[in-house]
Amino acid sequence: LAKTTQPISMDSYEGQEVNITCSHNNIATNDYITWYQQFPSQGPRFIIQGYKTKVTNEVASLFIPADRKSSTLSLPRVSLSDTAVYYCLVGGGAGNMLTFGGGTRLMVKP
Amino acid sequence: DTEVTQTPKHLVMGMTNKKSLKCEQHMGHRAMYWYKQKAKKPPELMFVYSYEKLSINESVPSRFSPECPNSSLLNLHLHALQPEDSALYLCASSLTPGQGQETQYFGPGTRLLVL
Repeated sequence: LAKTTQPISMDSYEGQEVNITCSHNNIATNDYITWYQQFPSQGPRFIIQGYKTKVTNEVASLFIPADRKSSTLSLPRVSLSDTAVYYCLVGGGAGNMLTFGGGTRLMVKP
Repeated sequence: DTEVTQTPKHLVMGMTNKKSLKCEQHMGHRAMYWYKQKAKKPPELMFVYSYEKLSINESVPSRFSPECPNSSLLNLHLHALQPEDSALYLCASSLTPGQGQETQYFGPGTRLLVL
């Protein structure tokens, strides 16, 4: 299973753009990159998923370079309610189950 | 309906008790999962059910016994637990088994305390 490495924590301020980078050096050819958000005492919530290049939805963008050994989750104009833990997961290829990495604890300050 | 429900929300049990956690989804998903999450740690996969059959057991102790009575329900039977089993137990589902790239929908979890 591909292992992921993320910063343990990040601080930001309201209205700023936040970029969280995840390293996954041994990603397999068929693996996807998926990001989840988790608030305290709640289940994780899907944010975005991609395979290569760039994916954008209504809440975030995901940038994946050509070598796919890393990815960056971009949250535009964060608010206090974006304070949460963000998990980068890599897997899905050839039946690989998704495995949660350590996560990044994002604190958004006023 | 994109919701996974879990009951109870909280559970306190002694080490000699038998209890069950319940999970339900009505999205037509055919893969269902149990995760265990300790405080400030990521969720850890325990079991995966594919088409109501147990497909993955991540070396979970036998005091945890999963059951999938039908495609919408998933239970986790608990017996003779230890205090270190206290955690948030999360249920999730996804559309097609074996397709790890699919979105997993998580329930709110059951907060379990073993005394």
